[in-house]
Amino acid sequence: QVQLQESGPGLVKPSETLSLTCTVSDDSTSNVYYYWNWIRQPAGKGLEWIGRIHTSGNTNYNPSLKSRVTISVDTSTNQFSLRLNSVTAADTAVYYCARWEGRYGYSKYWGQGTLVTVSS
Amino acid sequence: QSVLTQPPSVSGAPGQRVTISCTGSSSNIGAAYDVHWYQQLPGTAPKLLIYGNSNRPSGVPDRFSGSKSGTSASLAITGLQAEDEADYYCQSYDSSLLNVVFGGGTKLTVL
Repeated sequence: QVQLQESGPGLVKPSETLSLTCTVSDDSTSNVYYYWNWIRQPAGKGLEWIGRIHTSGNTNYNPSLKSRVTISVDTSTNQFSLRLNSVTAADTAVYYCARWEGRYGYSKYWGQGTLVTVSS
Repeated sequence: QSVLTQPPSVSGAPGQRVTISCTGSSSNIGAAYDVHWYQQLPGTAPKLLIYGNSNRPSGVPDRFSGSKSGTSASLAITGLQAEDEADYYCQSYDSSLLNVVFGGGTKLTVL
């Protein structure tokens, strides 16, 4: 059973950088079939796709966040990471990592989510 | 404003049938990209409910079904149960944005 677990600071100051890591168990981030994604959800609101990375290093980002987002993968540790810079209170949300089935597919496996609050 | 449009809320009595629509455009659903559906219970991660327009993962009851036509898709739930009360999201891919897109979500209330 594939498992994903998000980790990182739960509190980030405005204008600083949000950094999260997703650790993948019982699967490999080197698997060429899957894409590794980040999604977020502000309290009481819907899901927002942030971006994704393939083991090849190819990335895609939500155009609304593209200028502030970097997603990377470390196949040696079976982890992938999210960096979101210049954060504001609007970036406060539960952040999920997920494994996507193929380029145009869906996710059967999600992390439990981690709440990141942007506040001074 | 979500790329895929869902009704904010639907409701039904136990045992009834409800449907949730998901309307897209020619660059996503209308471009033949598959539609997938997720169920999200309060405080939990989304759970895959339907993939590839109409396929159920193992363990999902056959009370849940999906369909797609043109630029829209629908999720139908029959024999409504109290445990079905949750938020439901549709998801596809958009060829203009080059990214995954979600609907805004629909809150299902079981009366």
